[in-house]
Amino acid sequence: SQQGEEDPQALSIQEGENATMNCSYKTSINNLQWYRQNSGRGLVHLILIRSNEREKHSGRLRVTLDTSKKSSSLLITASRAADTASYFCATRRGGGGKLIFGQGTELSVKP
Amino acid sequence: DGGITQSPKYLFRKEGQNVTLSCEQNLNHDAMYWYRQDPGQGLRLIYYSQIVNDFQKGDIAEGYSVSREKKESFPLTVTSAQKNPTAFYLCASSEDGDQPQHFGDGTRLSIL
Repeated sequence: SQQGEEDPQALSIQEGENATMNCSYKTSINNLQWYRQNSGRGLVHLILIRSNEREKHSGRLRVTLDTSKKSSSLLITASRAADTASYFCATRRGGGGKLIFGQGTELSVKP
Repeated sequence: DGGITQSPKYLFRKEGQNVTLSCEQNLNHDAMYWYRQDPGQGLRLIYYSQIVNDFQKGDIAEGYSVSREKKESFPLTVTSAQKNPTAFYLCASSEDGDQPQHFGDGTRLSIL
């Protein structure tokens, strides 16, 4: 079962613009994670935000979490062609490390 | 360099055949996971293991089997009971259930 839903499904922007991706989920969570996947490759972890945190930064990435709305957003500032990839949110609910992944946002950054 | 190695990169299965996908990690992680990814979709959990000699079914375990005899290895067998095995299979590991997961580069399985 898919817990997270990303919006939009696909996003195309020019290099230098900001990219915002949203994730909504249905049940209470321990943490929410964002991953990136280049075509044909495995996923790479980007950032983890815990349920008691509201915002985290890592380089050009900014993640927000609103537990009252059960939603998160990932902002990539000053995008580069190398940021072209699929981006997934994943939520962890209880013990055991099980992550529930959304269906992803496909980001295309044009040079 | 520590990491996760999946092999083979491409695998073809004949009707009625079982095939085994390899996943090895040298990160000294306790937890390991197998996911299936279909085109344009997110990941679905097949099996996971929190510690050696223990594993649990995920959301889509039917037609698959695993073993966890060694900390560094978590092979996945796709049995003939799995009628739609064509997919991209990803293995991951983490220090424990609360930490981010590290992924291998996947095995793409197709039907001959």
